[in-house]
Amino acid sequence: GQQVMQIPQYQHVQEGEDFTTYCNSSTTLSNIQWYKQRPGGHPVFLIQLVKSGEVKKQKRLTFQFGEAKKNSSLHITATQTTDVGTYFCGQAGGTSYGKLTFGQGTILTVHP
Amino acid sequence: EAQVTQNPRYLITVTGKKLTVTCSQNMNHEYMSWYRQDPGLGLRQIYYSMNVEVTDKGDVPEGYKVSRKEKRNFPLILESPSPNQTSLYFCASSFGVMNTEAFFGQGTRLTVV
Repeated sequence: GQQVMQIPQYQHVQEGEDFTTYCNSSTTLSNIQWYKQRPGGHPVFLIQLVKSGEVKKQKRLTFQFGEAKKNSSLHITATQTTDVGTYFCGQAGGTSYGKLTFGQGTILTVHP
Repeated sequence: EAQVTQNPRYLITVTGKKLTVTCSQNMNHEYMSWYRQDPGLGLRQIYYSMNVEVTDKGDVPEGYKVSRKEKRNFPLILESPSPNQTSLYFCASSFGVMNTEAFFGQGTRLTVV
């Protein structure tokens, strides 16, 4: 099936540093969703991107969808300890309409 | 409160003993799905359901069964659990599969010994 690759798998930053996670696919993505999972918690929806080249912002978080719709990124400016968790990208549909396929996730650790 | 409820939250069982993990949502969502989460592998979809009586395989369906007799409930059944099914399981629901956010349950940590 269609794979969504996410890098890096782990990222350690000092509080105040920026953080970026990338989501890549070998085929065109119909859409991309981003979720955050706090340690010990469950994934929580952050945002969805559907248009080529789309950029959306939520406070310190910036989400981008590539022009070719094969990649996406999540950038956090000036990380805080509350940003700790695992960030997942996911695609709904793709090779099979009903499937929701996630990347492996990026585990973010923020050192105070 | 809008939510997806899974039970139990934690379960330790023995190989071969049938078990069911329940999932219920109160948002009138049509789409429901099950995932397992393993270190380094992210969230992998086990089964999904587009509506009542409509279910289909995700990426890792082997060893699992599901049913969707009512809109709100989507139980996950392990007929004969094995140790490689030890994992963290999440149920999720949404209005549809495309262009809608998924709401996840709290998770069920299953250990099969």
